[in-house]
Amino acid sequence: DQQVKQNSPSLSVQEGRISILNCDYTNSMFDYFLWYKKYPAEGPTFLISISSIKDKNEDGRFTVFLNKSAKHLSLHIVPSQPGDSAVYFCAATRPNLFFGTGTRLTVIP
Amino acid sequence: GAGVSQSPSNKVTEKGKDVELRCDPISGHTALYWYRQSLGQGLEFLIYFQGNSAPDKSGLPSDRFSAERTGGSVSTLTIQRTQQEDSAVYLCASSARQGKNSPLHFGNGTRLTVT
Repeated sequence: DQQVKQNSPSLSVQEGRISILNCDYTNSMFDYFLWYKKYPAEGPTFLISISSIKDKNEDGRFTVFLNKSAKHLSLHIVPSQPGDSAVYFCAATRPNLFFGTGTRLTVIP
Repeated sequence: GAGVSQSPSNKVTEKGKDVELRCDPISGHTALYWYRQSLGQGLEFLIYFQGNSAPDKSGLPSDRFSAERTGGSVSTLTIQRTQQEDSAVYLCASSARQGKNSPLHFGNGTRLTVT
């Protein structure tokens, strides 16, 4: 039972453009959401998070949006850079951390 | 400072053999998690330890899987009588405390291949 879903396995974006990665969840008890970034042969690294009491959190080029009524969150990266190419996982906590299946982002120079 | 360390980085074993995977968390981190990532799948929660509390084993897929954490630090994940479907990358993570405001710090994982 996948409680956190990332329906797009891959995304390609031109350098300088906006990357939008989406995530849906099914459990309304989740109260904190995180995005992790993973390079090959490395463990995931924390990127940005958002509490369920907020609808937006921004950190530099990265912004996470939360729509609780739709049980949907998204990660915006702008401008996208080639170094952003990685697999991005969204995660939700209650408080154990449940991860989505990941979206592979490729930023084309 | 040192991050989460996992060993071995790669392990190839024959079906039916037992394997042990080791995790050294960041010093002082009280929470420790094990996840696994099978090919094309997301990160599947296996087990977590928080201080001296009883571990949450709700994610372990079968009784062939067990884990312990000695002295609140190093953890070992043991898989008995390995099966081919156990092949995956096993990731360990630690956090300063268990809870939503303490992001996990992951190791680089152990890639287990069962032949």
